[in-house]
Amino acid sequence: DAGITQSPRYKITETGRQVTLMCHQTWSHSYMFWYRQDLGHGLRLIYYSAAADITDKGEVPDGYVVSRSKTENFPLTLESATRSQTSVYFCASRLQRLYNEQFFGPGTRLTVL
Amino acid sequence: GENVEQHPSTLSVQEGDSAVIKCTYSDSASNYFPWYKQELGKRPQLIIDIRSNVGEKKDQRIAVTLNKTAKHFSLHITETQPEDSAVYFCAASDQTGANNLFFGTGTRLTVIP
Repeated sequence: DAGITQSPRYKITETGRQVTLMCHQTWSHSYMFWYRQDLGHGLRLIYYSAAADITDKGEVPDGYVVSRSKTENFPLTLESATRSQTSVYFCASRLQRLYNEQFFGPGTRLTVL
Repeated sequence: GENVEQHPSTLSVQEGDSAVIKCTYSDSASNYFPWYKQELGKRPQLIIDIRSNVGEKKDQRIAVTLNKTAKHFSLHITETQPEDSAVYFCAASDQTGANNLFFGTGTRLTVIP
């Protein structure tokens, strides 16, 4: 049972480059999320999706783009990476809207030089 | 949106003692409050959650209490063990269509053998 996976697990890139982080889940969960985790800030929501082709902004969406053409995939793209986007990125999924456990992927550590 | 504050940011206890982590939230309409444990280098994992129609929930050595009037909730860990050492995050759901979770900034718990 693969559950929820992320790739790559580690990425180093340079300022101005485009980077795409992948997220894949095998549970057919409706909801998917992208968070960034920074020291002192906890987990902050970047974007979320309620279903295929439905996405919406979270707390910190600037500089990021998402898409969800298939239920199982939810890629996050940094169109022009900046140093402030150096962070650990977690993808998560949830079966339904209410009261359901949210499962996190293993995370991607991104460094922007 | 929802604002969640968490205290303390670090907590050290002797093995066998109890640990208490406290969170406050701003949105009185929030109705779901999960707690996540994150070990070093790992993903956050749900350890316990509580809904707004319940005042207390217990699962072996961990318990969560909720005071809706005061808008605060707490995690209690009794008989702490070294494997309880981790970062703990509280969260509260907002009332948008997706019931997104807003996280506290985390508490690093260290259990001293």
